[in-house]
Amino acid sequence: GENVGLHLPTLSVQEGDNSIINCAYSNSASDYFIWYKQESGKGPQFIIDIRSNMDKRQGQRVTVLLNKTVKHLSLQIAATQPGDSAVYFCAETDDYKLSFGAGTTVTVRA
Amino acid sequence: NAGVTQTPKFQVLKTGQSMTLQCAQDMNHNSMYWYRQDPGMGLRLIYYSASEGTTDKGEVPNGYNVSRLNKREFSLRLESAAPSQTSVYFCASILGGANQPQHFGDGTRLSIL
Repeated sequence: GENVGLHLPTLSVQEGDNSIINCAYSNSASDYFIWYKQESGKGPQFIIDIRSNMDKRQGQRVTVLLNKTVKHLSLQIAATQPGDSAVYFCAETDDYKLSFGAGTTVTVRA
Repeated sequence: NAGVTQTPKFQVLKTGQSMTLQCAQDMNHNSMYWYRQDPGMGLRLIYYSASEGTTDKGEVPNGYNVSRLNKREFSLRLESAAPSQTSVYFCASILGGANQPQHFGDGTRLSIL
């Protein structure tokens, strides 16, 4: 299948700072992208999604940016909190199926 | 509203034993999925069921079988467990169609000795 990957496996962020998590994808035909958060011992939890006809979408404290020209997706978390510590995955859809990257582990420093 | 429920949460097997992992969703979703997650890797699709009565192979189907028992339930069976199948298994569901986020259960942690 097509590769969906994250640029960095780990990210350490000071509490209160903004976090940026990056993801590159290779399937130019992908039309839907999702960011998931996975806490220890839990399943992935939906954060935010974006369709390929958009380049930005905002949620509560989170923003997803999509650059189709360079096939790049990013998740921005504003005012990072200790509860944001988790593994973050991007995923793209191919019809009914999701393809996941390996994930970025975000650690929030007090 | 429980969402996606997986049982058991933990299991230890010996090589060669068989095991069925259960998954049920109460959201009236049409499509269901089984993934495995290994350390440092994203989720890999084992099998999926786009609708009741249909199942299809995903990326890593070898050594597994599935049954879509009804609209709510989708089980994953290991007929003869192997150490390479030690993993965390996640079930997910969506209402139907493309361009929707999948809803995940909290996983079954399976160790095969």
